[in-house]
Amino acid sequence: SYVLTQPPSVSVAPGQTARVTCGGDNLGSKSVHWYQQKPGQAPVLVVYNDNDRPSGIPERFSGSKSGNTATLTISRVEAGDEADYYCQVWDSDSDHTVFGGGTKLTVL
Amino acid sequence: EVQLVESGGDLVQPGGSLRLSCSASGFTFRSYSMNWVRQAPGKGLEWVSYISTSGSTIYYADSVKGRFTISRDNAKNSLFLQMNSLRAEDTAVYYCARDLVGVAARDYWGQGTLVTVSS
Repeated sequence: SYVLTQPPSVSVAPGQTARVTCGGDNLGSKSVHWYQQKPGQAPVLVVYNDNDRPSGIPERFSGSKSGNTATLTISRVEAGDEADYYCQVWDSDSDHTVFGGGTKLTVL
Repeated sequence: EVQLVESGGDLVQPGGSLRLSCSASGFTFRSYSMNWVRQAPGKGLEWVSYISTSGSTIYYADSVKGRFTISRDNAKNSLFLQMNSLRAEDTAVYYCARDLVGVAARDYWGQGTLVTVSS
């Protein structure tokens, strides 16, 4: 089955840039979506189709992809960005949605 | 305002059954594909099942295939998940989530309903 690999944790100081990576085989041929989940809350879509933002999501959140790695970049990090972040793709070979294991972003 | 409200979560014994419901409002329900996604306590997100707008296309995660059944009633703006032969590892918060049109990304989520499988 298809696997997406994320680092368990990322730490960043306020005002700096955080980068959360997501790796998978042949990821370049798939659309990557990113979610933010704060404790006790439902996930929120922050980036879809690699680099598009839903309405209401700050421009500080951006996505990119190079080869087999996708990256969620959060610029000018704020304390309120502290959350778990998940990447997700649709695997057409298995007709399954696949989530990465999640990355806990800590704002120092 | 788009709203998704899950219900039906409960404590159930292993081997038992449960039916979850998701009531949708604030959008044209019949025009959107829907999903169930679950999250075990302290764990990550796990996709459970997908259903297309008309219900003609359905997919399941391997972990629930043959035990869970997804369905929808477009006339009642409702999504369902029938869960049979429940196991301890099915314990989780279950979310219903709407797909962006034409994109396999979940743009709206409910608040979740807790299913606990334990004797």
